[in-house]
Amino acid sequence: NAGVTQTPKFQVLKTGQSMTLQCAQDMNHEYMSWYRQDPGMGLRLIHYSVGAGITDQGEVPNGYNVSRSTTEDFPLRLLSAAPSQTSVYFCASRAGTSGTNEQYFGPGTRLTVT
Amino acid sequence: DAKTTQPTSMDCAEGRAANLPCNHSTISGNEYVYWYRQIHSQGPQYIIHGLKNNETNEMASLIITEDRKSSTLILPHATLRDTAVYYCIVRPLTGANSKLTFGKGITLSVRP
Repeated sequence: NAGVTQTPKFQVLKTGQSMTLQCAQDMNHEYMSWYRQDPGMGLRLIHYSVGAGITDQGEVPNGYNVSRSTTEDFPLRLLSAAPSQTSVYFCASRAGTSGTNEQYFGPGTRLTVT
Repeated sequence: DAKTTQPTSMDCAEGRAANLPCNHSTISGNEYVYWYRQIHSQGPQYIIHGLKNNETNEMASLIITEDRKSSTLILPHATLRDTAVYYCIVRPLTGANSKLTFGKGITLSVRP
């Protein structure tokens, strides 16, 4: 199993540009989520999904869109990038919605918006 | 509205036990205590979790007080590779609200 994969690893955008951060998992996990981490801070939840076709907002959803058309993929879209979105983005997945299941994280995407 | 409180940092000598404390005085009966760690900007890594009994796995031990208001993560023989930020998280048992909410964690520095 590749686990949770994220592409790209690094990205530089100009203000106003759009892009999609890709996330995929091959563990047949139902639950997937996106976090951002700013320097010296903990991770903050952006959006999450409890299954294909179902998404919901986390604590910092503004400026981001998500969709979940398949179990494997959970892309994060920035519609109009802003410097405040400069951050490291982590995707995560876990099996089901049981609280006992550990969460697996991807390696992260480092995004800079100029 | 933090659900857990951890010291900002601590250090220990290589080969010694590292005891990382966490307070979670408002924990609910159906919430588990989880520990994750993050090594130098990598994605967080699951360590261990527990409800009320002490737990042990190949990485660490988790000691939860009887009233469940605090816990301690124990790395029995810390190595330099254990230098990381450690996050203590309490999380509901089931449902969409069982998402992980990260605080700032505790930075553990293992010295040679």
